[in-house]
Amino acid sequence: DGGITQSPKYLFRKEGQNVTLSCEQNLNHDAMYWYRQDPGQGLRLIYYSQIVNDFQKGDIAEGYSVSREKKESFPLTVTSAQKNPTAFYLCASSMSGGYTFGSGTRLTVV
Amino acid sequence: QKEVEQDPGPLSVPEGAIVSLNCTYSNSAFQYFMWYRQYSRKGPELLMYTYSSGNKEDGRFTAQVDKSSKYISLFIRDSQPSDSATYLCAMSPFSGGYNKLIFGAGTRLAVHP
Repeated sequence: DGGITQSPKYLFRKEGQNVTLSCEQNLNHDAMYWYRQDPGQGLRLIYYSQIVNDFQKGDIAEGYSVSREKKESFPLTVTSAQKNPTAFYLCASSMSGGYTFGSGTRLTVV
Repeated sequence: QKEVEQDPGPLSVPEGAIVSLNCTYSNSAFQYFMWYRQYSRKGPELLMYTYSSGNKEDGRFTAQVDKSSKYISLFIRDSQPSDSATYLCAMSPFSGGYNKLIFGAGTRLAVHP
């Protein structure tokens, strides 16, 4: 079945650590996105990529980094510069029409 | 003012009720409108996708778009406890390829037996 796989489902980060969230899709979609979801705030765009080896900052990119070396993969690194990283992170892809989302990663700072 | 406004709820209804979920928006360039359903601790799934004004029906779900009023609605007939979820509206001026969607904050719906 085609879809988007995010891993891990739960992730715990210590203060000052960088952590990487994985996102893989087998839908052959060109565009991929990372969103952050906080209670009552809806979805906020962190980064997006239209094609391989190209990505752009979204609305809240500070403290995050991404890479797009393969069409199928769009990992997100939450760096120590992100002061409030506890949130639900969603990866999505699109070709035309609406997005297909992964099942999300819940990141908690401990 | 946000580009897309959506009442966060929560909305609590008895099983079998007709549910009406709504969003308003300010950008007249929006032409593509979507509704997503998100269960707790899951990713959103696309429920309805419509272009421009009009109605679209899919089973118990009907999406309405009124571009003149900048208002979209999702109706759920014969609501079931399994419909309990957060419903997100989303919209965009474009379709295809890279396409930045603007999302509402989501409305939490609870359908009780």
